[in-house]
Order: sequence, then structure tokens, then C-alpha cells
Amino acid sequence: EADIYQTPRYLVIGTGKKITLECSQTMGHDKMYWYQQDPGMELHLIHYSYGVNSTEKGDLSSESTVSRIRTEHFPLTLESARPSHTSQYLCASSESGILYSNQPQHFGDGTRLSIL
Amino acid sequence: GENVEQHPSTLSVQEGDSAVIKCTYSDSASNYFPWYKQELGKRPQLIIDIRSNVGEKKDQRIAVTLNKTAKHFSLHITETQPEDSAVYFCAATPDSYDKVIFGPGTSLSVIP
Repeated sequence: EADIYQTPRYLVIGTGKKITLECSQTMGHDKMYWYQQDPGMELHLIHYSYGVNSTEKGDLSSESTVSRIRTEHFPLTLESARPSHTSQYLCASSESGILYSNQPQHFGDGTRLSIL
Repeated sequence: GENVEQHPSTLSVQEGDSAVIKCTYSDSASNYFPWYKQELGKRPQLIIDIRSNVGEKKDQRIAVTLNKTAKHFSLHITETQPEDSAVYFCAATPDSYDKVIFGPGTSLSVIP
């Protein structure tokens, strides 16, 4: 089934560890996004990508990095996790429309990250 | 850049009543306005969207209205049900942007 998948769903890890959050979509979408969200609160854009080899920083300052080597894959990496990184991370994707550039975003189930 | 405000931040209604959530945007170039619903512990999901070439759109109990002159748009939910309880996010973006600007969200509680 075409969808957007995030792994892991939950991660509890110690300070200073390197973490990679995985995001894959099987819908062939060009655009992909990472948001940080405390449960039920505002969505903060931290990174986005127009397509392969394109990455841009979002509105929220983040110590994370992303890569987009394949259309379907958009991993987020924290080089050294800190307690302030504790949050939920949501991945999303959208297609580039022919008539209209902006199309609905499809979200994954998120990764709940807790840094001890 | 675009800025989206959303009111109220919390809303409680009795089952069967209507609920209205209002959003304002700052960039007159914005022309795409989606609404997302996020139930507790779940992913945000698109419930309705509108483009600036129309003033109103309906889908069963949900409707969105757009006033381009005043730069505001609203979500209307009629005959509310307990399963409508969720956080609702409005958003706005010009077609030239590749990112969508979200409002801060409205927590809607429908009381049985």
C-alpha cells in the first residue's frame, strides 16, 4: 500500500548518542519534510527537500541534518543527542502538481524520541 | 514570509452543535489553504482544502470559507460528534513556496 513509513516509532536513548530517524514513502512524491512536534502542539518545520540532492533548513533551528539520495528516502540524523531533542518527529511528503505546485501533505506516524 | 494565526486555541462544544475555527494569514500571495485533523497519538490528516479561486468548499459536515480581501479563512463543522474531538491545524502557502505555513492549532472537544 502506498504510504509514508517512519522507523522507529519510539526511541529512548542516552545523551551523546548518534541517532538516525528513518522516513520512506512509496508514493513517488518529490517533496519531503521533517517537523518537530510536542504532542498536540504546533508543527515546527526543521528540514525539507524539493527532490533528490536537494535539502533546505526549515524555520526552526535544529542541530540535525538530512540527506536525500533517493526519491523515496529522507533520513534525519542527530550527531549527538541531548535531552532538549526529546520530542516527536513527523515526516511528510507531497507531490508536485502540474496545475498547482502545492498539494496536500501526507504524514507518517512519527517517531517519539526521548533522550535521557 | 507568511504568518498564520489561528483562533481559538481551545474549543468545547456540545455534541450536535456547530464548531467554527478561524485563521488569518499575512501574505496576499497565498493561494492554497489546507486543514488537517490530528487525533490523539495519530498522524495529521488532510480533511479539506481550498484554493484562492473559490470562496467556499463543502464536504458533508465540513466546510471551509475563504475571504481573500480580509485574508482570513474558516473551518465549519456542523452536527459535531465525539469523534470530531482532535487538534485542527490550518495552513497557508503561496504556490511559489515549497513549504506550507501551519497555524498553531485548535484543540476541539465535543462533549457527549
